[in-house]
Amino acid sequence: AQSVTQLGSHVSVSEGALVLLRCNYSSSVPPYLFWYVQYPNQGLQLLLKYTSAATLVKGINGFEAEFKKSETSFHLTKPSAHMSDAAEYFCAVSDRRGADGLTFGKGTHLIIQP
Amino acid sequence: NAGVMQNPRHLVRRRGQEARLRCSPMKGHSHVYWYRQLPEEGLKFMVYLQKENIIDESGMPKERFSAEFPKEGPSILRIQQVVRGDSAAYFCATLREGLDEQFFGPGTRLTVL
Repeated sequence: AQSVTQLGSHVSVSEGALVLLRCNYSSSVPPYLFWYVQYPNQGLQLLLKYTSAATLVKGINGFEAEFKKSETSFHLTKPSAHMSDAAEYFCAVSDRRGADGLTFGKGTHLIIQP
Repeated sequence: NAGVMQNPRHLVRRRGQEARLRCSPMKGHSHVYWYRQLPEEGLKFMVYLQKENIIDESGMPKERFSAEFPKEGPSILRIQQVVRGDSAAYFCATLREGLDEQFFGPGTRLTVL
């Protein structure tokens, strides 16, 4: 069975500061990993995905994530936070290229302080 | 291309009534997934369908819940005899055969009074 753990249900950073959202996973097979962002009362939008190619993945809006197999982690980072980054962020894992139902973490609410 | 469409966006039902949630996939997408999001929780997978077939329903409650994706028309998630615990946001996602990104709809927020 797969699982995803997101450390920190709320993360607060100052505008311009580094954003780091943590995600650890467990999977019995090589995983496919995703980060989604959800703005209030909206659906989820894909930020980036890891599908067994490069371990450092670049996504939209300046976000990137690094797959570390030894640490079973897929942490999301952005060098400089912007007010518009305030949202809920979800890490998800799939066994099979996203074609299976995704297993999501509980989410991290990112707060940007002016 | 229009995105994934869900309707209604908001649905209010009284206990014991039926709720029908609709999901129209993006053009060319033949895979549909339903997820439920409870307050302060992440999304939980419910069911995965392809046209006229249920592929994986391991996340569906055993009773009162059913899903279909007919040859023509939208996918339907049906909840019979709703209870207050069914209040949640229900999202569908769709995927194109051979690709690896699920596109999410805006969700239906179900409130059971």
